[in-house]
Amino acid sequence: QKEVEQDPGPLSVPEGAIVSLNCTYSNSAFQYFMWYRQYSRKGPELLMYTYSSGNKEDGRFTAQVDKSSKYISLFIRDSQPSDSATYLCAMGGGSNYKLTFGKGTLLTVNP
Amino acid sequence: NAGVTQTPKFQVLKTGQSMTLQCAQDMNHNSMYWYRQDPGMGLRLIYYSASEGTTDKGEVPNGYNVSRLNKREFSLRLESAAPSQTSVYFCASSVRADTQYFGPGTRLTVL
Repeated sequence: QKEVEQDPGPLSVPEGAIVSLNCTYSNSAFQYFMWYRQYSRKGPELLMYTYSSGNKEDGRFTAQVDKSSKYISLFIRDSQPSDSATYLCAMGGGSNYKLTFGKGTLLTVNP
Repeated sequence: NAGVTQTPKFQVLKTGQSMTLQCAQDMNHNSMYWYRQDPGMGLRLIYYSASEGTTDKGEVPNGYNVSRLNKREFSLRLESAAPSQTSVYFCASSVRADTQYFGPGTRLTVL
């Protein structure tokens, strides 16, 4: 079983839709969880991060972590064409300095 | 603040040639990382430097060497390039192990 699983999509939605992106993981040692957004031919950009189970909201974005189920989600409300990108989940923990990334989900928001 | 900068942006090499990818950060971060990103493979860690003066292997270190020149700079060297090293290379930095900030990437083609 891979440490982090992420559906690669592609996911295509109309403008204004609510988008749900998800990752599952197997390593109980993961303590912090992140979402990155990567536009085509650009570097990943840190979008949200959280250390605890529960929800964290930032504008139209909500990150949700369920450590008991080893499941994290990113919700995008009122999606915009500018949200079209690949979204990568990432997680890490303990004393090592490594993050484990999902392979990314390609999202297209159609005007 | 420029954040994380990488040079060059693009490079084409012939098999067997060598080159060094440069990375610099102006955020006073302790840790720096080199990743490669390939279609379907996601981001894979090549080497990292938890702090100035230390370097450690990541997931895919074979064929690469690194130098942490000072706190700001972390270079990646390909001694004898192979077509399998055709990829997009990203440098990242972080204060702690968690929130990593990425550069714009170097697109490398080895013929």
